[in-house]
Amino acid sequence: DADVTQTPRNRITKTGKRIMLECSQTKGHDRMYWYRQDPGLGLRLIYYSFDVKDINKGEISDGYSVSRQAQAKFSLSLESAIPNQTALYFCATSDSLAGEYNEQFFGPGTRLTVL
Amino acid sequence: GDSVTQMEGPVTLSEEAFLTINCTYTATGYPSLFWYVQYPGEGLQLLLKATKADDKGSNKGFEATYRKETTSFHLEKGSVQVSDSAVYFCALTLMRNTPLVFGKGTRLSVIA
Repeated sequence: DADVTQTPRNRITKTGKRIMLECSQTKGHDRMYWYRQDPGLGLRLIYYSFDVKDINKGEISDGYSVSRQAQAKFSLSLESAIPNQTALYFCATSDSLAGEYNEQFFGPGTRLTVL
Repeated sequence: GDSVTQMEGPVTLSEEAFLTINCTYTATGYPSLFWYVQYPGEGLQLLLKATKADDKGSNKGFEATYRKETTSFHLEKGSVQVSDSAVYFCALTLMRNTPLVFGKGTRLSVIA
């Protein structure tokens, strides 16, 4: 079984709809992240959480919100989806006790299309 | 702020050719440096890392050396294979409590 899972894997929705993307991990890591990937722009950080009570904005948080329901679960919501939020979304995890560097482990991604 | 600049792709090579993907960084301190690889339809996975100047990271025939004097971490492989076709991301982090900063990625296509 995958260590970092994302649901759904693909989603097509309409402008104005509320969408939730979910991420679950069985790695026991305390840190979780949400990124979006766009062609030519690489990965951009949306939100990150270093533990259940910690939520931090990333580079492009406008239009998004997150919830850390448990150490293993981190959800990303688009309150009112717009077409320029069409992208590939990745969840990632890392372990603060793993060592001096912050290796991240990625889920398979969710492809979101907003019409 | 801290940033990573990678050579723009796509890069197309024949099998067994030599690969170099350039990566330079801007950081206020001495970062740890990483190369991640994204195979088609998958998430990113760590390819190699280096945590201090002059360190060489290596994995699966790929190598990169942390050069503080040129603020670079170029990825190299002596003989690429079709299975190396992927998108490669250079990344850095300054401290354990800061997220990774990624470059824009370089797409590599290797043809038989």
